[in-house]
Amino acid sequence: KNEVEQSPQNLTAQEGEFITINCSYSVGISALHWLQQHPGGGIVSLFMLSSGKKKHGRLIATINIQEKHSSLHITASHPRDSAVYICAVGGGDSGGGADGLTFGKGTHLIIQP
Amino acid sequence: KAGVTQTPRYLIKTRGQQVTLSCSPISGHRSVSWYQQTPGQGLQFLFEYFSETQRNKGNFPGRFSGRQFSNSRSEMNVSTLELGDSALYLCASSDQHREEETQYFGPGTRLLVL
Repeated sequence: KNEVEQSPQNLTAQEGEFITINCSYSVGISALHWLQQHPGGGIVSLFMLSSGKKKHGRLIATINIQEKHSSLHITASHPRDSAVYICAVGGGDSGGGADGLTFGKGTHLIIQP
Repeated sequence: KAGVTQTPRYLIKTRGQQVTLSCSPISGHRSVSWYQQTPGQGLQFLFEYFSETQRNKGNFPGRFSGRQFSNSRSEMNVSTLELGDSALYLCASSDQHREEETQYFGPGTRLLVL
């Protein structure tokens, strides 16, 4: 079973700051997902990564397969970025994917104006 | 395309009762996965259905079951409810049964067991 660790658990920053959220996992995977959850529960899929780097607007996600580590970066953070960010892994030897995703506990991000 | 829909959105039940939750995937998607989210355990995988077949099941007791219909709509059932079943239940759909697929989540059903 894959162990997924996220850090930090909580993060408060000022508007405009550069944000980094980290995710590490213990077993090789086929894909890593970054999810965003706003108060009220709705979850949005931000990225799906199997290698390298992806960018969408102010969000950048990277993954290092050898080190079993991924980072989510937010540039020029804004109060509307306040949410819980969740890392999830699947496939490979993780027991995820074909056996469902395995999730981290999430990072609670608050961006203050 | 319409997003993933879940009904009902909120539900209150008492211990011992059973409950059925419904999920309608994005049109054309054939894979539906169910997840449970609690403050203590976070998000956990329940099961996945693809083309009416349960492909995988998470580590949950047999009280949790599900099915998928020919139109890809899915239901999950929890029998003999326990207090610990209080949670947000989320379903997600994707086009294929592959871990590299982006999953599209519904708004969830919030279940409270009294």
